[in-house]
Amino acid sequence: NAGVTQTPKFRVLKTGQSMTLLCAQDMNHEYMYWYRQDPGMGLRLIHYSVGEGTTAKGEVPDGYNVSRLKKQNFLLGLESAAPSQTSVYFCASSYVTGTASTNEKLFFGSGTQLSVL
Amino acid sequence: LAKTTQPISMDSYEGQEVNITCSHNNIATNDYITWYQQFPSQGPRFIIQGYKTKVTNEVASLFIPADRKSSTLSLPRVSLSDTAVYYCLVAPLKTAYSGAGSYQLTFGKGTKLSVIP
Repeated sequence: NAGVTQTPKFRVLKTGQSMTLLCAQDMNHEYMYWYRQDPGMGLRLIHYSVGEGTTAKGEVPDGYNVSRLKKQNFLLGLESAAPSQTSVYFCASSYVTGTASTNEKLFFGSGTQLSVL
Repeated sequence: LAKTTQPISMDSYEGQEVNITCSHNNIATNDYITWYQQFPSQGPRFIIQGYKTKVTNEVASLFIPADRKSSTLSLPRVSLSDTAVYYCLVAPLKTAYSGAGSYQLTFGKGTKLSVIP
């Protein structure tokens, strides 16, 4: 069972270049998230999706775009990369049910280390 | 979401029991407490979740006093492999009826646990 898979694992970009990070999950989860993690900052939410075809902004969405064309995939795009976007990016997925006894549990990928020069 | 406060770092020797306390003075009646563990170069991993009193699983125990204004993650007989960052989160139940974007989990800076041989 692969869980949450992120590609690529590492990437170096020059300022102004664009790229797309791919997140794929095989658990049939409805919710998917993109976080970034910087030293001493914890994880900050960039964008999230509560279902196929829907996306929403998180805490730090500027400079990023996302798409959820298929339930299992969540793409994070950088249209014009900036050095401030150097970070480790984590994708996560989760599910919820209709029962009150269930709470959300996030499953994370192993991350993408992105450097923008 | 309730604000949480936890120590920035802790050191422990192998074989000792480690207790990490999280303060959440403004926890709401329907909030649950969840702990995640993050190893270097990996995404966070769910450890344990509870509402009140004590919860135990194969990895850790979670102690929650009656007033629920704090919680303590207990790791029995730690080993070097327990060196990680531990995050405390407080959030209400999310169900399929919560509505899109009802809230999104935010991870703070966590507690960096270093286990010393």
